[in-house]
Amino acid sequence: DAGVIQSPRHEVTEMGQEVTLRCKPISGHDYLFWYRQTMMRGLELLIYFNNNVPIDDSGMPEDRFSAKMPNASFSTLKIQPSEPRDSAVYFCASSLEVRANYGYTFGSGTRLTVV
Amino acid sequence: SQKIEQNSEALNIQEGKTATLTCNYTNYSPAYLQWYRQDPGRGPVFLLLIRENEKEKRKERLKVTFDTTLKQSLFHITASQPADSATYLCALDKSGSARQLTFGSGTQLTVLP
Repeated sequence: DAGVIQSPRHEVTEMGQEVTLRCKPISGHDYLFWYRQTMMRGLELLIYFNNNVPIDDSGMPEDRFSAKMPNASFSTLKIQPSEPRDSAVYFCASSLEVRANYGYTFGSGTRLTVV
Repeated sequence: SQKIEQNSEALNIQEGKTATLTCNYTNYSPAYLQWYRQDPGRGPVFLLLIRENEKEKRKERLKVTFDTTLKQSLFHITASQPADSATYLCALDKSGSARQLTFGSGTQLTVLP
């Protein structure tokens, strides 16, 4: 398996533009997570899905952020409109169900810079 | 409020020695605790998971302990090597909250040759 695949690896955009980040989880994983990492705040959970259904989006900073998982092999995180304070590395991760002895598998992340 | 604290921002040790990293938490009742390694420009990589009813778990040169009374986990790397240099993150599941991990800020370990 190629692991969790995120695209793009880097994104530079102007303030006010729409940004879409993409994630392909590991086949067979029931859970998908979106995290954001900054120096100041570390890794923060934004939202997670179980079997394609959003379970908890309380970490989504504002209504400018939205996430979808239309099927088991694809998820998007959208920011519209983007702001400079959204600059961070965004990670997608997937995992098996709770009682398995597994951790998360993270993608390589998307480094977002909003200028 | 809930808090996860990892010891000191950076830890330098000599090659061959044992590195010991600490993770303390407050106002959590985790079902289990996990440790991850993160290299610059990469996503975290899962290393070990220990459950609340387990005291210790080992994997090759790695050992994790979990003391729910002290609310602390210790992560040991024995016979450390320069290739072990990375940031190490501990993470807790919110008890009863399925798969919701909260991460500590990490400890940057440098193993000097």
